[in-house]
Amino acid sequence: AAGVIQSPRHLIKEKRETATLKCYPIPRHDTVYWYQQGPGQDPQFLISFYEKMQSDKGSIPDRFSAQQFSDYHSELNMSSLELGDSALYFCASTRRSGGPVLKTQYFGPGTRLLVL
Amino acid sequence: DAKTTQPPSMDCAEGRAANLPCNHSTISGNEYVYWYRQIHSQGPQYIIHGLKNNETNEMASLIITEDRKSSTLILPHATLRDTAVYYCIVRVEGTQGGSEKLVFGKGTKLTVNP
Repeated sequence: AAGVIQSPRHLIKEKRETATLKCYPIPRHDTVYWYQQGPGQDPQFLISFYEKMQSDKGSIPDRFSAQQFSDYHSELNMSSLELGDSALYFCASTRRSGGPVLKTQYFGPGTRLLVL
Repeated sequence: DAKTTQPPSMDCAEGRAANLPCNHSTISGNEYVYWYRQIHSQGPQYIIHGLKNNETNEMASLIITEDRKSSTLILPHATLRDTAVYYCIVRVEGTQGGSEKLVFGKGTKLTVNP
């Protein structure tokens, strides 16, 4: 079965640079979530989108922005990168539309960002 | 969403059943219990979920106590590949437009030994 695709898988940037992470949800999934996992930490929710609209926001820095496109893929844009942004970034998708059915989130393999 | 409490680590012998407990004493009636696991630096993997009845799938079984204040994830025949951090997450199943973010706690680091 098709899974969530994230690109790139690895990214190295310098401080103050920008980065764009991409997420392609499972086909027919309409909701995308972004999570950040720092070294030795547990995943933390950043932001989510449903039908191209932001649906929830967590502890996402103002330097970060995200959007969801008409094909449901999503991009996380990160500017003025700091050393502390080095982390794994996971995208998850689910299908929310169609009624109050259980909406299990399925995660991608993640993008490992290293800021030097 | 209700908080969960899990032991930080557990060990299990290969081939034996692994029983991972989770306390969620403040769970409310419309909150589900979800289990995910994360194998070293990979994306969290969905295992199973339940509301009040015991559930079983090809990966595991979920036993929820009658008062729903705790649950146990059972891996019936643990293998070395089951070594991972297991997260017990309690959340309301959102309706249209509601947020359904997952709040990860500390989880249990399960080590399956040969």
